[in-house]
Amino acid sequence: NAGVTQTPKFQVLKTGQSMTLQCAQDMNHEYMSWYRQDPGMGLRLIHYSVGAGITDQGEVPNGYNVSRSTTEDFPLRLLSAAPSQTSVYFCATEAGNTEAFFGQGTRLTVV
Amino acid sequence: QQQVKQSPQSLIVQKGGISIINCAYENTAFDYFPWYQQFPGKGPALLIAIRPDVSEKKEGRFTISFNKSAKQFSLHIMDSQPGDSATYFCAASRMGKSTFGDGTTLTVKP
Repeated sequence: NAGVTQTPKFQVLKTGQSMTLQCAQDMNHEYMSWYRQDPGMGLRLIHYSVGAGITDQGEVPNGYNVSRSTTEDFPLRLLSAAPSQTSVYFCATEAGNTEAFFGQGTRLTVV
Repeated sequence: QQQVKQSPQSLIVQKGGISIINCAYENTAFDYFPWYQQFPGKGPALLIAIRPDVSEKKEGRFTISFNKSAKQFSLHIMDSQPGDSATYFCAASRMGKSTFGDGTTLTVKP
């Protein structure tokens, strides 16, 4: 039982490159979310999903796309990376208004 | 618009002392209020949580006090230990969507 698995753990991108951050869960949770964590700013919600096929924007969605084709997977796509997207990204799942389970994070640097 | 405000930003406590972190929220639709603990290089992990129909919840050395009318809640860590040194986040949640405070870095000195 791995819980929430994020890949990669570290990534360096050049400005303008695109990439996908992967998130997979084996907890059969309906709710999945992506957050970014910046120093002194806590965790800010990028996108979230309440079930397969349903996604919505969070607080800071610009520059990111998501899709949810299965319950297990919730990838986050950076379309054209910018230095402002340098951050630590966390994927989280929950059953619904209960404890959120977080992955180990992806540390992304855009140069 | 910051919907959850957390204070203090940092806190230094002696071993055995009491650590208190406060949060205030604005949206009365929130119905789940968790506290998460995060160690460097790790994802946040649930420490303790409360729902708005309860005014206090205690689990071991950790207590949440909840004031619905004031839209405030706080975390109390009794007998603080060096191993409690971490960053603590409060959150307010509804239907799988959480808003987090900015975090409090707690340092417990031996």
